[in-house]
Amino acid sequence: AQKVTQAQTEISVVEKEDVTLDCVYETRDTTYYLFWYKQPPSGELVFLIRRNSFDEQNEISGRYSWNFQKSTSSFNFTITASQVVDSAVYFCALRTSSGSARQLTFGSGTQLTVLP
Amino acid sequence: GAGVSQSPSNKVTEKGKDVELRCDPISGHTALYWYRQSLGQGLEFLIYFQGNSAPDKSGLPSDRFSAERTGGSVSTLTIQRTQQEDSAVYLCASSETGTYGYTFGSGTRLTVV
Repeated sequence: AQKVTQAQTEISVVEKEDVTLDCVYETRDTTYYLFWYKQPPSGELVFLIRRNSFDEQNEISGRYSWNFQKSTSSFNFTITASQVVDSAVYFCALRTSSGSARQLTFGSGTQLTVLP
Repeated sequence: GAGVSQSPSNKVTEKGKDVELRCDPISGHTALYWYRQSLGQGLEFLIYFQGNSAPDKSGLPSDRFSAERTGGSVSTLTIQRTQQEDSAVYLCASSETGTYGYTFGSGTRLTVV
């Protein structure tokens, strides 16, 4: 069975602060994919990043960066110099390569509030 | 279309009534998924369609829930005899075969009163 844990239910920061959202996953598969999605108040899930299990390189995209560590089964997401528009619920998700259904298993999400 | 389209965006129904939720995936995407997001909860997988293969219905919570996909494109999720616990946002996503990018729609917010 696969599982994704986002222990931080809510985080509140002041604009321009850096913030890290934690994600810990569980799977027995050696091949899997990890995702981060952003869900703004409008409700639509916006894809941010996909990482496969063979690629442990960290990635940076503008103010966003991701730290993938297989040794600790973590895929953490950092927003640098946060902005009010970053306020949203952020979901981490896992998809393995096995099984008949290619569904994503989601964490419970982290509500990020960036205060002006 | 450019994105995944879902309709209606909001639906209020009386307990016991049937409802139909529609998803129009991105053109060319052969895989289609339905998820449910209850208030304050994460996303729960419901059903998955891939091309002409039999759908994976393993996530459907009860036999009151069913879904079909006509012509490999539009999908309809039907909930019969709705209950208050069915109140949630129902999200649809599609992806191309062989890739793992999922594009989600804006969802249908279902409220059962």
